[in-house]
Amino acid sequence: KAGVTQTPRYLIKTRGQQVTLSCSPISGHRSVSWYQQTPGQGLQFLFEYFSETQRNKGNFPGRFSGRQFSNSRSEMNVSTLELGDSALYLCASSPQDRSGGNTIYFGEGSWLTVV
Amino acid sequence: SQELEQSPQSLIVQEGKNLTINCTSSKTLYGLYWYKQKYGEGLIFLMMLQKGGEEKSHEKITAKLDEKKQQSSLHITASQPSHAGIYLCGAGKAAGNKLTFGGGTRVLVKP
Repeated sequence: KAGVTQTPRYLIKTRGQQVTLSCSPISGHRSVSWYQQTPGQGLQFLFEYFSETQRNKGNFPGRFSGRQFSNSRSEMNVSTLELGDSALYLCASSPQDRSGGNTIYFGEGSWLTVV
Repeated sequence: SQELEQSPQSLIVQEGKNLTINCTSSKTLYGLYWYKQKYGEGLIFLMMLQKGGEEKSHEKITAKLDEKKQQSSLHITASQPSHAGIYLCGAGKAAGNKLTFGGGTRVLVKP
């Protein structure tokens, strides 16, 4: 069974540009969440999608957005990039609602560098 | 909001020695996850604990969730160079997949 797949793995963007990152969850997983990891702030939750609906949202500005498609694949978008957006963006998937005690699996991440 | 504190922040152990990492929560833990990360890579799932007093083991790694459900520990027996990396604990509420993570513990195993 394939794991969580994220594309692209590495990318460099210029300030002011926008970027779209993609995540394919493990087959059968309906929940997809996104995290940002930086040396200064650590691992922080961005948002979670479940059955195409945003279910939870972290404390990030509106420049950060996401969506989930009917096949559970997800994308996140960052507009008007700032230098501080340089980070490792991690996607995670899980089979169902956590009240059922399910496991959350992470992808390899997308390294974004803003110059 | 829930906060997780990991200790120590880093440690260096001689190969073959045991080590323990602690994760303390400011609130009751409903589910506690342990992950391992190599620098710049994704998180590798190790274990998930849900019930107070629960203990799980995988190979040489054991994790426990204390009875009051506000602290977890990860113990590695007879450490090997392959155990080197960053260990992260993550926790969330009963519903949804929003996790709060600790700051991580960097482990270096000296051969």
